[in-house]
Amino acid sequence: GAVVSQHPSWVICKSGTSVKIECRSLDFQATTMFWYRQFPKQSLMLMATSNEGSKATYEQGVEKDKFLINHASLTLSTLTVTSAHPEDSSFYICSGKQGDNEKLFFGSGTQLSVL
Amino acid sequence: AQKITQTQPGMFVQEKEAVTLDCTYDTSDPSYGLFWYKQPSSGEMIFLIYQGSYDQQNATEGRYSLNFQKARKSANLVISASQLGDSAMYFCAMRELYSSASKIIFGSGTRLSIRP
Repeated sequence: GAVVSQHPSWVICKSGTSVKIECRSLDFQATTMFWYRQFPKQSLMLMATSNEGSKATYEQGVEKDKFLINHASLTLSTLTVTSAHPEDSSFYICSGKQGDNEKLFFGSGTQLSVL
Repeated sequence: AQKITQTQPGMFVQEKEAVTLDCTYDTSDPSYGLFWYKQPSSGEMIFLIYQGSYDQQNATEGRYSLNFQKARKSANLVISASQLGDSAMYFCAMRELYSSASKIIFGSGTRLSIRP
């Protein structure tokens, strides 16, 4: 089945630094990539939707200047958490879809801890 | 607005028994898709099953089946012959299909624990 490789799986950083999370679709072209965050024991909350070659569409309440999303190719999307703060500590997960195929393929997630 | 509701925060089931995880949804769009995902403790999300709103038959994938009752707006997941490895969080999700870029929303999840 289709695979989305997400790296890193966990990262610890100091407050004020930036962290980049990568998601690569290994055997399909991810025309659309979704980025989520998940707090402990809660559901996934959609942060933004990006289509290859276009600017990402952010959900209400998500700061686009803080969570930079790049989807420059059909196999790579990145989320950069800029000037991270402890409240940004969370589990971040991406998912990709190809064209009109309804299935979403998820990365394995990144646990971000900001000290 | 679309909405997904999972009313069971947690369930305990004896190994080898069948289990039903509840999911109800709300949408004004006649065309939508319903999904179930499994999230083990490792955090990754695993796709289990998909049901389209216009599909005539209930979806099945191995031990997973989706009990789709359109009039009741419910899409319960049935796992037959449960196994210890089925212990995980399970999320019901929905996407309205009016746009190829429409977002998918998730329910709050049900934590399933299988007892040996």
